[in-house]
Amino acid sequence: IAGITQAPTSQILAAGRRMTLRCTQDMRHNAMYWYRQDLGLGLRLIHYSNTAGTTGKGEVPDGYSVSRANTDDFPLTLASAVPSQTSVYFCASSQAGTGELFFGEGSRLTVL
Amino acid sequence: AQSVTQPDIHITVSEGASLELRCNYSYGATPYLFWYVQSPGQGLQLLLKYFSGDTLVQGIKGFEAEFKRSQSSFNLRKPSVHWSDAAEYFCAVGPFLSGNTPLVFGKGTRLSVIA
Repeated sequence: IAGITQAPTSQILAAGRRMTLRCTQDMRHNAMYWYRQDLGLGLRLIHYSNTAGTTGKGEVPDGYSVSRANTDDFPLTLASAVPSQTSVYFCASSQAGTGELFFGEGSRLTVL
Repeated sequence: AQSVTQPDIHITVSEGASLELRCNYSYGATPYLFWYVQSPGQGLQLLLKYFSGDTLVQGIKGFEAEFKRSQSSFNLRKPSVHWSDAAEYFCAVGPFLSGNTPLVFGKGTRLSVIA
């Protein structure tokens, strides 16, 4: 059972470069989310999508964009990476009305 | 706006001792409440959840949590901690029967277990 797959698992990136973190789920959940996790700050929501074709902004959306062309995929793009975007990024999904999130293993991004 | 407070950043307990991790929430409606656990280098895994009914809920790995509306709390407990319980624990709150409004997470409590 794959659940949620994130790629890459780890990446070092030069500041100013463009980066896309990939997220794919095989559970047919309608909602998907991107969180970033930083020491002492817990999990903060970046963007979310309640269903294919729709997206919404979370707590810390600046510098990030997402798309939801289909149910399974929810990529997160950093158009021009900055060092403050160094973090561990988690993708998650949930089925409508349950509230329960299923998480991927995370993508560790370092921006130099 | 909803919020979740986990007052303890780091807790150390001895193996075999009991454990209680605190969680307080602020929410304007009846909430969904969750506890997640994150082992080092891993994603988050659901421990237990409260939606309605019995205020004492049982979860995986021998954990339980009690919803106390009057105190706006949802504390996590385990009677006897094992070394494998060392991890980061997150409390989260979401809306009851309101679709897919994202969960709000607390900042987490790191649990260390000593012999």
